[in-house]
This record gives sequence, C-alpha cells and structure tokens, in this order.
Amino acid sequence: NAGVTQTPKFRILKIGQSMTLQCTQDMNHNYMYWYRQDPGMGLKLIYYSVGAGITDKGEVPNGYNVSRSTTEDFPLRLELAAPSQTSVYFCASRDRVWETQYFGPGTRLLVL
Amino acid sequence: AQTVTQSQPEMSVQEAETVTLSCTYDTSESDYYLFWYKQPPSRQMILVIRQEAYKQQNATENRFSVNFQKAAKSFSLKISDSQLGDAAMYFCAYRSGPREDGGSNYKLTFGKGTLLTVNP
Repeated sequence: NAGVTQTPKFRILKIGQSMTLQCTQDMNHNYMYWYRQDPGMGLKLIYYSVGAGITDKGEVPNGYNVSRSTTEDFPLRLELAAPSQTSVYFCASRDRVWETQYFGPGTRLLVL
Repeated sequence: AQTVTQSQPEMSVQEAETVTLSCTYDTSESDYYLFWYKQPPSRQMILVIRQEAYKQQNATENRFSVNFQKAAKSFSLKISDSQLGDAAMYFCAYRSGPREDGGSNYKLTFGKGTLLTVNP
C-alpha cells in the first residue's frame, strides 16, 4: 500500500528559481491538502482541493500555486523561490470513512 | 478562527512509566474532531488517536488514551507503559466541521507540538 507519496525528499533551490513538488495518493480520496511546517511549529495549510478541478487557498497561499487534474495527483508549484519558503512540505489526503488525514513523508526544501 | 495550544514544549518519561501531554483549543463550534499525531525523527506524520466531539466516551488505542473535556476545551493524551519508540514530537490538531456538511474544507489546525523524550 503506497498511500501518499511525495517527491523529491529534499531539494535546494536558489532564490528566484521555480520548482514543483509532486504528491500522489492511491486511496481514491477526493480531499487533498498541502501543508508547510516551519522549525518549531505545527503545520499550516497552504492549499487544498476537494476534487479534480477544484482547488482553494488555505492560510498561507502566497508564493504557491496548485492544480488538480486527476484524483490521484496534487502538485504544488513554487514560483520565484524565496528564503521564507524554506520549510518542510507535507501533502495529505482525507479519508471520509475514518475522518482521518493521511500524510506523505514530506519534502524538505532549502532556499538559499 | 480556531486555535490549538500545547503548553508543554518538552516532556520526558521513564521507560514503562505513564506520561500525559496537554492540549487546549479554542472554538465556538459544537461539532468537530480532535487528533493526536506523532512525528518521529523521520518526519512522517502518524495518526495516534482521534476523538469525535459529539462522543462523550474518551477514545483509546492500545497504550494511548485521551481525556476529552469538552466544556473545558481540553484534549490531553495519556501514554501508558512508555516505550523507547514513543519518543517523538506530538501534535494536537483540531478539525472543523461536522462529518459531512458540504461546506467545510476539513483542514487541520495544529498546535506547536510537544517533544517527548523516553529515558531507558
């Protein structure tokens, strides 16, 4: 059972570069989320999606974009990376039956 | 907006002993979910236990149990017979919205975490 997978595991970006963080789930969940975790803090919601073609902003969406063309995939795009985006990024999907969010292993991003 | 507060940045416990981690939250809603997640050094977020606010009975999962006090807006986690593998950061999280209301994004609001050390 793969669950929620994320790639890459770790990436270093230079200021101004762009990249896409990949997230895939194989549980047929409609709801998917992107969170970021800054040092010493809990997770904060960046964007979420309630199904293919439907996305919306969370608490900290500035500097990010998302798309949801399929149920399985929910990529997060960083445009013009800034040092403030240095963080660990988690993707999650929601199980409606058990009312639980399952998380991927995270992507650690360092912007220098 | 809901807030979640974990007042203990760090806790330690001896192996085989019991420890309780505190969590309080602020909300005006009556129907919601509460969770405890564990984050070991691998950074994987692992669900420990879940509590539905409309259920008065405290949730239990093997050695993990909660003390849910709805009126006091308190949701503490008790770990019994602590094991070395329990050492991790523990996050309390709040989920807004009833089970299916069609209008909620069901996002999680997290506390800042409690770092649990287990001493052999």
